[in-house]
Amino acid sequence: GNSVTQMEGPVTLSEEAFLTINCTYTATGYPSLFWYVQYPGEGLQLLLKATKADDKGSNKGFEATYRKETTSFHLEKGSVQVSDSAVYFCALSDLIGSARQLTFGSGTQLTVLP
Amino acid sequence: ETGVTQSPTHLIKTRGQQVTLRCSSQSGHNTVSWYQQALGQGPQFIFQYYREEENGRGNFPPRFSGLQFPNYSSELNVNALELDDSALYLCASSLPDRYEQYFGPGTRLTVT
Repeated sequence: GNSVTQMEGPVTLSEEAFLTINCTYTATGYPSLFWYVQYPGEGLQLLLKATKADDKGSNKGFEATYRKETTSFHLEKGSVQVSDSAVYFCALSDLIGSARQLTFGSGTQLTVLP
Repeated sequence: ETGVTQSPTHLIKTRGQQVTLRCSSQSGHNTVSWYQQALGQGPQFIFQYYREEENGRGNFPPRFSGLQFPNYSSELNVNALELDDSALYLCASSLPDRYEQYFGPGTRLTVT
């Protein structure tokens, strides 16, 4: 079946550092890809998405490019802030029956220190 | 625009009991999905409802069941609770032809 593998955390960075969180996937066909963010005690928020190869999703300074050749969707940000501290989940779209569902990675905890 | 809401926020139940969790979808969204998120893990798909019918289910036993109402709100019912059912239960709404889903804040269920 389809699956998502994320780099293990936790990741600790200083403010203004460069962030990369690796994500690779295994899937039949060409799924849509997503990054979600979960702040402490909250649900998941959609951060960005890409629906086809070479698409770049971006939002709030975060970017990720859909790489079909390496089956990857790595999350990057040029300068992190303390407020970016959260758990980040990579996900791909999947069909079960006629349900469009999301398959998630295990998440990467990011802590940004001032 | 109203986002996805869930109730209750927290719940403590005893093994063997039954529980009902509730979800109101985002305005205009007629598809509702439920996910289980165990501590330290990513969410796992339970099932999805569209037009008041279950249209897909993940690897969860039949004691996990649901309903969707004409106003698109939804319930998740879990019978014969087990200790391993302790988790954050997330509801997400979407449009039927779109993959992106919008999540509520979740219900934290603890089974003792």
